[in-house]
Amino acid sequence: QKEVEQDPGPLSVPEGAIVSLNCTYSNSAFQYFMWYRQYSRKGPELLMYTYSSGNKEDGRFTAQVDKSSKYISLFIRDSQPSDSATYLCAMSVNTGFQKLVFGTGTRLLVSP
Amino acid sequence: NAGVMQNPRHLVRRRGQEARLRCSPMKGHSHVYWYRQLPEEGLKFMVYLQKENIIDESGMPKERFSAEFPKEGPSILRIQQVVRGDSAAYFCASSPGTNQPQHFGDGTRLSIL
Repeated sequence: QKEVEQDPGPLSVPEGAIVSLNCTYSNSAFQYFMWYRQYSRKGPELLMYTYSSGNKEDGRFTAQVDKSSKYISLFIRDSQPSDSATYLCAMSVNTGFQKLVFGTGTRLLVSP
Repeated sequence: NAGVMQNPRHLVRRRGQEARLRCSPMKGHSHVYWYRQLPEEGLKFMVYLQKENIIDESGMPKERFSAEFPKEGPSILRIQQVVRGDSAAYFCASSPGTNQPQHFGDGTRLSIL
């Protein structure tokens, strides 16, 4: 079993839709949670990060962490074609942002 | 404000040759991390370095792979006697400290003939 599970997609939505991306994990020691966006042939771009449980909002993006269920989510409101990319969740244990463990990524396609 | 710079962007080697991948961290960042991304797989941690020190190399293959981050100059990931299975995208990330998230470069795509 992988430490971090993420549905590979692709997830296809129309422009303006609310998108929900999710990851589950098995290691209860994970305390730092990140979402990265990766365009084709580019490096991962940090979108949001949170520590422990709770919600965090930044513009159209909201990250949620539910440690009791070992489940994290990223919501994108008013999705745009430019949001089409692969979204990676990443986690690390409570010593800090060091050895990140990534999900395999979910490919998102937003059609105009 | 330049981001993490990796070069070359693409590298082609024949089996048995050596591959050297370079990474210059963001300005003010003294922590460097290397990851490998195989097709249809997530990024896998390889090694974490600070200037002149290897902090965590638990993800590095035991043979043929080495990494350094000298006092002056970029971090280098070195793969000796490359094999077909080394073909992958290698990403470098940097951070100013362990309490700050990592920022990634655009990777080096290594192809082995």
